[in-house]
Amino acid sequence: DIQMTQSPSSLSASVGDRVTITCRASQGISNYLAWYQQKPGKVPKLLIYAASTLQSGVPSRFSGSGSGTDFTLTISSLQPEDVATYYCQKYDNAPLTFGGGTKVEI
Amino acid sequence: EVQLLESGGGLVQPGGSLRLSCAASGFIFTSYGMSWVRQAPGKGLEWVSAISGDGIRTYYADSVKGRFTISRDNSKNTLYLQMNSLRAEDTAVYYCAKAGDSGSWYNYWGQGTLVTVSS
Repeated sequence: DIQMTQSPSSLSASVGDRVTITCRASQGISNYLAWYQQKPGKVPKLLIYAASTLQSGVPSRFSGSGSGTDFTLTISSLQPEDVATYYCQKYDNAPLTFGGGTKVEI
Repeated sequence: EVQLLESGGGLVQPGGSLRLSCAASGFIFTSYGMSWVRQAPGKGLEWVSAISGDGIRTYYADSVKGRFTISRDNSKNTLYLQMNSLRAEDTAVYYCAKAGDSGSWYNYWGQGTLVTVSS
């Protein structure tokens, strides 16, 4: 099975900083990658699918890139409401594995 | 408005069984794949199982294969997860999730139902 590895597992940044989270697949998955945001005590929320397509209603400061095995989620200017844990997920074939998560703090 | 409402969680002893339900509304249920995703206390998201819109194709994580069964009743717009031979490590919040238009990414999630496996 393909493994999904996120890095870092946690980070602390300042308001306005550019933040980058990496997700690496152990084998190529084309662009079948999604990113989710989960705030404490809340349900996960879809941010990006197809590696770089922004879900409707998601602020444009979020962007995704990559293909094959290496993917990134970028927050161009970190806001206080972005404090959350972020997960990548592969969806090319089952199992539809999630990465281990990246906790973002301010 | 899409709504997903899980039910059926609770406390069960190791080795016991439980059936989760997810009542869906606000979209054409038969047109979308559905999944169960769980989250153990303080841990990350774990994909559990998925089912195609017509219910023919099912998929499972290795951790639950042979113990859990996903199914759906398209006449009732309801998704199910039958969980047998439950273990302490199955303790988690279980979410049902709706697949997107072009792939098995999840654009809608239920609020989750807590399953606790303990003696």
